[in-house]
Amino acid sequence: DGGITQSPKYLFRKEGQNVTLSCEQNLNHDAMYWYRQDPGQGLRLIYYSQIVNDFQKGDIAEGYSVSREKKESFPLTVTSAQKNPTAFYLCASTDRDGRNTIYFGEGSWLTVV
Amino acid sequence: GDSVTQMEGPVTLSEEAFLTINCTYTATGYPSLFWYVQYPGEGLQLLLKATKADDKGSNKGFEATYRKETTSFHLEKGSVQVSDSAVYFCALKGSGKSTFGDGTTLTVKP
Repeated sequence: DGGITQSPKYLFRKEGQNVTLSCEQNLNHDAMYWYRQDPGQGLRLIYYSQIVNDFQKGDIAEGYSVSREKKESFPLTVTSAQKNPTAFYLCASTDRDGRNTIYFGEGSWLTVV
Repeated sequence: GDSVTQMEGPVTLSEEAFLTINCTYTATGYPSLFWYVQYPGEGLQLLLKATKADDKGSNKGFEATYRKETTSFHLEKGSVQVSDSAVYFCALKGSGKSTFGDGTTLTVKP
């Protein structure tokens, strides 16, 4: 079945560490997104990519970095510059037709310890 | 820019009650409209969508009609079940990025 796979499901980060969240899709979608969701809150866009080797900052990009070397993969790195990284992170994708559905992964929980 | 405003929660209903969650939007052009559902600890799943004015999206007993004149896409269900307890997000997709509402938490009690 086609879909989006995020890993790990749970991740713990020590102060000063960088951590990377994986996102892989086999839907052949051009566009991919990373969202952050805090408990009881809505979604906030971190980064998005509409094509390989290109990506743009979303609304809360500070302290995060991404790469898009392959169409299937869009990893998110949470750097030590992100001072409050504890949250639920959602990866999503959609095809180039801008009217189509967004598909989401199951999410990754990141906790600072 | 585009925006979505949905009814604040939480909403608590008894089983078999009627559900309405209001959603209004601001957008240029003719966006597609969506309702997504999120169960605890999971990602969002598409519940239903409508791509043009007067279209009705429906799924699992939920319905929403694309009303361009009132810029609304209200979610309704005639008889809710305990298993419908979740967070519901209204969203739109125009020529730019998708825009999501803040979500409405629904709790259905037996």
